[in-house]
Amino acid sequence: GESVGLHLPTLSVQEGDNSIINCAYSNSASDYFIWYKQESGKGPQFIIDIRSNMDKRQGQRVTVLLNKTVKHLSLQIAATQPGDSAVYFCAGVIIQGAQKLVFGQGTRLTINP
Amino acid sequence: NAGVTQTPKFRVLKTGQSMTLLCAQDMNHEYMYWYRQDPGMGLRLIHYSVGEGTTAKGEVPDGYNVSRLKKQNFLLGLESAAPSQTSVYFCASSYNILSGNTIYFGEGSWLTVV
Repeated sequence: GESVGLHLPTLSVQEGDNSIINCAYSNSASDYFIWYKQESGKGPQFIIDIRSNMDKRQGQRVTVLLNKTVKHLSLQIAATQPGDSAVYFCAGVIIQGAQKLVFGQGTRLTINP
Repeated sequence: NAGVTQTPKFRVLKTGQSMTLLCAQDMNHEYMYWYRQDPGMGLRLIHYSVGEGTTAKGEVPDGYNVSRLKKQNFLLGLESAAPSQTSVYFCASSYNILSGNTIYFGEGSWLTVV
């Protein structure tokens, strides 16, 4: 079956630095990936998505890179701010009769002042 | 715009008790999902629905039942609660995700089984 996992459970960066959060997936059943941000006590919040026919997509201060060869994607956050502190999840969309999201375990991003 | 609303937000149950979590969405979404989230883990899919009157099992369906009698509501039931079901439960809804539509999550329901 499909699995999605993150490389590091925690990541600490200095305020103003760039953050890179990594994610790997196990097979090619997913052709659509989404990054979510989850703040304490809240539900996941959509950040950015990418389809398998793309290798890069940019949003406001965020960039997602997809490497299908090694089944890896990353989320880059530019000039991290205190408000970026949260748990970040990557999720792959599986199409097997219905659309389902399979989540990785999450990376907790801490911003140091 | 309410989006996805879950009730109750917090609940403590005794082992063996039953309860129902209600999820309501006002966006006319076809797809609805129930996930659970345990400490240090991502969300795991319990059950989902692709439309009114349909339900299907997800990754971890044992001990749970669901119903989608109305398009806007998706109910998650625990017939006989167990401590292993202590978790945070998230409901979500969406149109066709592959068409670029976002999946929206509720704020979560914290359930403790003692």
